[in-house]
Amino acid sequence: KQEVTQIPAALSVPEGENLVLNCSFTDSAIYNLQWFRQDPGKGLTSLLLIQSSQREQTSGRLNASLDKSSGRSTLYIAASQPGDSATYLCAVWSYKYIFGTGTRLKVLA
Amino acid sequence: DAGVIQSPRHEVTEMGQEVTLRCKPISGHNSLFWYRQTMMRGLELLIYFNNNVPIDDSGMPEDRFSAKMPNASFSTLKIQPSEPRDSAVYFCASTVLAGDNEQFFGPGTRLTVL
Repeated sequence: KQEVTQIPAALSVPEGENLVLNCSFTDSAIYNLQWFRQDPGKGLTSLLLIQSSQREQTSGRLNASLDKSSGRSTLYIAASQPGDSATYLCAVWSYKYIFGTGTRLKVLA
Repeated sequence: DAGVIQSPRHEVTEMGQEVTLRCKPISGHNSLFWYRQTMMRGLELLIYFNNNVPIDDSGMPEDRFSAKMPNASFSTLKIQPSEPRDSAVYFCASTVLAGDNEQFFGPGTRLTVL
């Protein structure tokens, strides 16, 4: 049974720092992995999708990597800003989507 | 594009009442998902459809929950009878094809069962 874990559960950093969020999954037989952000009381916004054949994807200040063999993905946020404060979730697709529990990020001005 | 549309945005009902949540996926998307989010259990997939056909409903908690997709532009999630433990935010999401493409989420329906 696929399990997805995100550590840490919460993170506070000063503005301007580069940071890494982690996502681990127990079954490496995934088809893709998607990163989302969720603002309080809102729906999920897609950030990046990495197919199983890819190693990384980039969008602006965000870079996501995927290492299937070790069951890990990281989301790198460069030069963090207060507007990046949100909960970040990863989801893997292995015949259905399984979500991690999220990392609550706070970027302090 | 209007994105995924859900209604109502908020629903407050009493235990035992029937609740119907509605979703309109993005035009051209062939897969639709219903999720439930709570503090205790996080985001859970309840059911998903490909081309209006239910593919995996293993996440539906019990027989009180049912979902339909009568056509490509409309789906419902029904709870009958509702119970206080059903209180949660229910999200609908769609994608071009499950497993291949990005999911796009609706704004959610916050359900409170008293």
